[in-house]
Amino acid sequence: KAGVTQTPRYLIKTRGQQVTLSCSPISGHRSVSWYQQTPGQGLQFLFEYFSETQRNKGNFPGRFSGRQFSNSRSEMNVSTLELGDSALYLCASSTLAGGPGELFFGEGSRLTVL
Amino acid sequence: DAKTTQPPSMDCAEGRAANLPCNHSTISGNEYVYWYRQIHSQGPQYIIHGLKNNETNEMASLIITEDRKSSTLILPHATLRDTAVYYCIVSGTGNTPLVFGKGTRLSVIA
Repeated sequence: KAGVTQTPRYLIKTRGQQVTLSCSPISGHRSVSWYQQTPGQGLQFLFEYFSETQRNKGNFPGRFSGRQFSNSRSEMNVSTLELGDSALYLCASSTLAGGPGELFFGEGSRLTVL
Repeated sequence: DAKTTQPPSMDCAEGRAANLPCNHSTISGNEYVYWYRQIHSQGPQYIIHGLKNNETNEMASLIITEDRKSSTLILPHATLRDTAVYYCIVSGTGNTPLVFGKGTRLSVIA
């Protein structure tokens, strides 16, 4: 079956702009998590959604937001972009909210902020 | 913060077993040990997880010490395609996200 799909794969924005990233989970998966990966900080948890409800939120400013739709697809938005927001944004889906279980990751959306 | 400690890097000869250690001395009784790996420019890939007993699947084996304070991931016959960053993660059940540390960069050498 199809894996986790993230769009767009690559994008370039300038400071002050906003960006929306999309994630389509594996069919039947109701939990979607988002992570930010940078060379300096590694993989950092952003938030998790389960059945359209945010279940967990990482330590990121309010400029980072997300939502999940009734079909489990999820979007994350970053407003007022800063240079430090340049990163690989990864989405993962699973059948459960929380563990134990396997997270299935997408290939990521690579954001460059100029 | 990650609850695990891993060596930053390791080398392994192709065809030999790769043994990746992980310390998790503060693990709680209901927390699982997970292993993921990330090949360059790809999303992390689940490998295996366990609670108390040793586990084996088609990719690897997970050996957890009796006191559960450490574990070892074993790739029985490493290939060049196993070159990746390997993450050991401790996480409980319920509503707890996985927290990734810096992992171990495994280089498989021909």
